[in-house]
Amino acid sequence: DQQVKQNSPSLSVQEGRISILNCDYTNSMFDYFLWYKKYPAEGPTFLISISSIKDKNEDGRFTVFLNKSAKHLSLHIVPSQPGDSAVYFCAASAGGAGSYQLTFGKGTKLSVIP
Amino acid sequence: EAGVAQSPRYKIIEKRQSVAFWCNPISGHATLYWYQQILGQGPKLLIQFQNNGVVDDSQLPKDRFSAERLKGVDSTLKIQPAKLEDSAVYLCASSQTSGRAIVGKSVEQFFGPGTRLTVL
Repeated sequence: DQQVKQNSPSLSVQEGRISILNCDYTNSMFDYFLWYKKYPAEGPTFLISISSIKDKNEDGRFTVFLNKSAKHLSLHIVPSQPGDSAVYFCAASAGGAGSYQLTFGKGTKLSVIP
Repeated sequence: EAGVAQSPRYKIIEKRQSVAFWCNPISGHATLYWYQQILGQGPKLLIQFQNNGVVDDSQLPKDRFSAERLKGVDSTLKIQPAKLEDSAVYLCASSQTSGRAIVGKSVEQFFGPGTRLTVL
């Protein structure tokens, strides 16, 4: 049973336009959400995160939106650049004392076309 | 600051053979994680260490997988004997602490480049 779902395996966007990557979760105990970016042959790198006490977090071209009632979050990249082409993983944490375990989605491969 | 180091980067073995992976986390990071990432899937946590103690190994197939972090720094993950379904990328990650240092703040996990294992 997948607790974090990224239903779009791939997404293609023109350079300069907005990229929107979506993520849904089923576990109501999740209270922290992260996006990781992964290039081929490299490990995932942290991009941006959001706590369940917020509904939006912004960092430069990247904004994450959280809709707790819908158990849905999205990552917006504006404007998209060719260097953004990578696989993006949504991850969630239920916290708890002494633990910070992440549950990952399957990833969405973003291709930004010049 | 040096990142998480892993070796080897690639390994090809036949089923029923043994294999070991090594990880050196970022200096000062108390928490170390091993993940398995099968092609087309997201990383799945196998085991989490806090210093040299195991925090969670509930998803580690203990009949064939073992891991240790004897001095609270480097870690090794071993598979013995390997099966075809063990073909995956094995990722090591580390973080400064396993708890939430500040409410609403991220305790970021830093990942190494991974070891790609192919079992034939």
